[in-house]
Amino acid sequence: GQNIDQPTEMTATEGAIVQINCTYQTSGFNGLFWYQQHAGEAPTFLSYNVLDGLEEKGRFSSFLSRSKGYSYLLLKELQMKDSASYLCAVRDISKLIFGAGTRLAVHP
Amino acid sequence: NAGVTQTPKFQVLKTGQSMTLQCAQDMNHEYMSWYRQDPGMGLRLIHYSVGAGITDQGEVPNGYNVSRSTTEDFPLRLLSAAPSQTSVYFCASSAIAETSRNGVTGELFFGEGSRLTVL
Repeated sequence: GQNIDQPTEMTATEGAIVQINCTYQTSGFNGLFWYQQHAGEAPTFLSYNVLDGLEEKGRFSSFLSRSKGYSYLLLKELQMKDSASYLCAVRDISKLIFGAGTRLAVHP
Repeated sequence: NAGVTQTPKFQVLKTGQSMTLQCAQDMNHEYMSWYRQDPGMGLRLIHYSVGAGITDQGEVPNGYNVSRSTTEDFPLRLLSAAPSQTSVYFCASSAIAETSRNGVTGELFFGEGSRLTVL
């Protein structure tokens, strides 16, 4: 079976750092993705991890531990425009399965 | 610079009607897929295809049909619409990442979405 868990909602303050966790159990693993989705829009790609460790991309970093079935997305220097849903997705052999998403609200 | 194009953007159907959501991509991607998104449930995979002539079921395939006669097109057919199919539908495509070292991440590129209401 496949199961991807992430918190439903988080809040944070502008300028702060926030970490969004994702745990997964899938029958196969061929990479983990993070997507950002603003309300009423399509998801857009943020990051990709296939090997253990940290991938950094500007204000965004993503970490993967395959042995623990665990990933996190780290957002630094939060801005109001970072208010969005963040979707964790695992590629199970060929298909991409999404978690329910974490809705992040950034307050001034 | 079209990317993934979905039509229509909005559609209202009556229960029992059939319709087709169109999806076309111009990036020569082998992989194409359809998702539905409902409040609080994230994106759920309906059907996917790894190349022309090949399709497979995702997490929620019942009530939907797909075909892949060309690399570019991947239409989604609702055979007999039901109110439970009221949702936002996204088509997405990607190159296929065969290994972790070939530089291809296989990230999905999404269409703008189609909002379907079944009365």
